[in-house]
Amino acid sequence: GAGVSQTPSNKVTEKGKYVELRCDPISGHTALYWYRQSLGQGPEFLIYFQGTGAADDSGLPNDRFFAVRPEGSVSTLKIQRTERGDSAVYLCASSLTPTGDTEAFFGQGTRLTVV
Amino acid sequence: AQSVTQPDIHITVSEGASLELRCNYSYGATPYLFWYVQSPGQGLQLLLKYFSGDTLVQGIKGFEAEFKRSQSSFNLRKPSVHWSDAAEYFCAVGAPGGYQKVTFGTGTKLQVIP
Repeated sequence: GAGVSQTPSNKVTEKGKYVELRCDPISGHTALYWYRQSLGQGPEFLIYFQGTGAADDSGLPNDRFFAVRPEGSVSTLKIQRTERGDSAVYLCASSLTPTGDTEAFFGQGTRLTVV
Repeated sequence: AQSVTQPDIHITVSEGASLELRCNYSYGATPYLFWYVQSPGQGLQLLLKYFSGDTLVQGIKGFEAEFKRSQSSFNLRKPSVHWSDAAEYFCAVGAPGGYQKVTFGTGTKLQVIP
């Protein structure tokens, strides 16, 4: 597709369950970013991939959160033992390179609700 | 640690009036600065960015922003607002290098009245 695609667009899960959120970046983009946006807040950085490797995962809130990008394109954000506080919109972005002379494009996000 | 403050949570302007959205940042060196817009049901869209050079930056949709190092500010302006500009606007700061770890402000919601 032409843009960053995130699936599902909405996900409702029960507290304690495991969820996976998928991000399809723009083709050829080597850098991929995950952000979390809680209600009334700006996006909060979670993790950044350059190729297949996580270059910076300092924003992941705890060890229940994990992300992979095994082939350097699609990425999956995995959340174990979900908690109600994990409810937020999870945003993915990608850029051709991580440098500022390119642009990072955002997907429309996955709205996660933990009940 | 880098941080961004957007002091105005909500702003209302009349269509055709000028607009200025405030942004103050905290960063130890010359940062990379961004303004994004988020419309309902839409993803974040980059309006403009500043890395170096001319401190007055032109963006899309008629927006501009001015980097003022002495005030640690990067305010967004538009001379004449259109109803379609109603959205939420986010200022963001990143370390030199680009997008690796960008910190966003809490946003300013813009309402445009006829």
